Amino acid sequence: AQKVTQAQTEISVVEKEDVTLDCVYETRDTTYYLFWYKQPPSGELVFLIRRNSFDEQNEISGRYSWNFQKSTSSFNFTITASQVVDSAVYFCALMDSNYQLIWGAGTKLIIKP
Amino acid sequence: DSGVTQTPKHLITATGQRVTLRCSPRSGDLSVYWYQQSLDQGLQFLIHYYNGEERAKGNILERFSAQQFPDLHSELNLSSLELGDSALYFCASSVGGLGYTFGSGTRLTVV
Repeated sequence: AQKVTQAQTEISVVEKEDVTLDCVYETRDTTYYLFWYKQPPSGELVFLIRRNSFDEQNEISGRYSWNFQKSTSSFNFTITASQVVDSAVYFCALMDSNYQLIWGAGTKLIIKP
Repeated sequence: DSGVTQTPKHLITATGQRVTLRCSPRSGDLSVYWYQQSLDQGLQFLIHYYNGEERAKGNILERFSAQQFPDLHSELNLSSLELGDSALYFCASSVGGLGYTFGSGTRLTVV
């Protein structure tokens, strides 16, 4: 079965701390895509990154970075020097061979000033 | 603006009623996907249409149906509504499965 697990239900940190959100996935497919989305309190889903299963290079975008490790089926997301505006629910998702997104339960991130 | 338009943004209706949610995909996208986000089930795939044809079904209840019209807009019909159908319904469109773009969602409240 294909599955995405985000074990951290809620994380609370003080502004400027670094924080890592964990994502572990299960799939039988050899080619797949992994995604991270942000859902702020306003409710929309904001795309952050898509990663192809063949590309294990880590990605950095400003204060955001992603660590993809096929050996441990993990695709973790780190925010460096967190800011209050980073407060949101973050979802990890796996795209199956039918182009459907299988979602993790989400991690609620609270950044305190 | 993502280019995917969902209407209405909010909907409040009574149990037993029927509602229609509408989605206009991004220009050029042939695929439309519907997702439901509820408090107890999280985000779940409902159904996928490609160029007017149903391509895949997920955890979609029999009381729910969808269609995609020749102009590529899609409608999700929810009937015999129950309190548990209260959720945020998202539509997404894409070209070939990638470039997923989500609309801002329709928040349905069943009272």
